Amino acid sequence: NAGVMQNPRHLVRRRGQEARLRCSPMKGHSHVYWYRQLPEEGLKFMVYLQKENIIDESGMPKERFSAEFPKEGPSILRIQQVVRGDSAAYFCASSPPTGSSGNTIYFGEGSWLTVV
Amino acid sequence: AQTVTQSQPEMSVQEAETVTLSCTYDTSENNYYLFWYKQPPSRQMILVIRQEAYKQQNATENRFSVNFQKAAKSFSLKISDSQLGDTAMYFCALPGGGADGLTFGKGTHLIIQP
Repeated sequence: NAGVMQNPRHLVRRRGQEARLRCSPMKGHSHVYWYRQLPEEGLKFMVYLQKENIIDESGMPKERFSAEFPKEGPSILRIQQVVRGDSAAYFCASSPPTGSSGNTIYFGEGSWLTVV
Repeated sequence: AQTVTQSQPEMSVQEAETVTLSCTYDTSENNYYLFWYKQPPSRQMILVIRQEAYKQQNATENRFSVNFQKAAKSFSLKISDSQLGDTAMYFCALPGGGADGLTFGKGTHLIIQP
């Protein structure tokens, strides 16, 4: 049973370009979360999705950031017109339907975005 | 709102010693889970241990155990017989960061010295 898969692991973008980060949840998991980790800080919640639905995006910046989890395919975190401050590690996590595993969520290995 | 506080930014101990990392939290929930995650230099987030708040017995996973004090809202992690591979950032986490997501503390950087 493969874990949470994220790609790319490392991404370099110039200011103003777009960054797309992908996440495939663990098999059987229908909930996906995106977190951002700035250097020397803990993880900050960005968005929580289920298939075709954004459940909670309260931690995601209102502009330039968007997320989706389509019926087929991976979840995608999209950052438009990137700026240097977007440089961070972006972690995806997944969990089964609520209640079936005690709210434990499992993390991918992260995608490191560097904006130059 | 949920809050998680880790008051020790960095700790350093000798190999084979026992070390305790502290975590306090605030929540309005009555039934919840608490987690400790480890982030080694590889930056992967690894679940170390979890505690169910309605259970009085402290969780244990091999060399890792917790001291859970529900009334005090304290959830410390004890690592016995520490090993060099335990060197990592350790994050305490509590559900609440978006539906079933997590709110993390700022982390404790644990260094195990040979």
